[in-house]
Amino acid sequence: AQSVTQPDIHITVSEGASLELRCNYSYGATPYLFWYVQSPGQGLQLLLKYFSGDTLVQGIKGFEAEFKRSQSSFNLRKPSVHWSDAAEYFCAVAGRGNTPLVFGKGTRLSVIA
Amino acid sequence: GAVVSQHPSRVICKSGTSVKIECRSLDFQATTMFWYRQFPKQSLMLMATSNEGSKATYEQGVEKDKFLINHASLTLSTLTVASAHPEDSSFYICSARGGGLDTEAFFGQGTRLTVV
Repeated sequence: AQSVTQPDIHITVSEGASLELRCNYSYGATPYLFWYVQSPGQGLQLLLKYFSGDTLVQGIKGFEAEFKRSQSSFNLRKPSVHWSDAAEYFCAVAGRGNTPLVFGKGTRLSVIA
Repeated sequence: GAVVSQHPSRVICKSGTSVKIECRSLDFQATTMFWYRQFPKQSLMLMATSNEGSKATYEQGVEKDKFLINHASLTLSTLTVASAHPEDSSFYICSARGGGLDTEAFFGQGTRLTVV
């Protein structure tokens, strides 16, 4: 069965510092990988996705993620965090076609001055 | 890009009443839609897969008689929470993938259900 592990429940970083959120997945076939952000009481916003091709994916808001098949990882990075980045971040995996996304438990990001 | 619209965004109902949530794909046909549930400070858990013209497929532990799903057209799926109780209070989100093999998932805005 497919699954996603986000090892860090809560991360605190200083504004302007770099960020890396970890995501490991388990999936029997070629995975489709996603990162979403959710602010309190809001829906999901897609940050980036990986389907195939270049393993370094650029997303919105200055985020990027790198797919590493050998490590079953899809870590999210940002070189300089802004206070507005404070939110909950979810990594998700899916297969091709009409298959549902399976989400990790999320990582809550706090940003301090 | 493709849009999925979910309505209502927020609903408060009395215990014992039923609540219907609509999920529409606005510019593509969705033969399959997915319904998720999210408790406070938790992740999204897949409840069921809604298939146009056939019965929904429920995940283990989800009561199909409590969460009634109807997918009568290629652009509309509905989730009815029957005889809602306070423990059904949650955030419900629908999703559809855009069709084809290499497609991303589109999510509705979510519905905050509060049962009092």
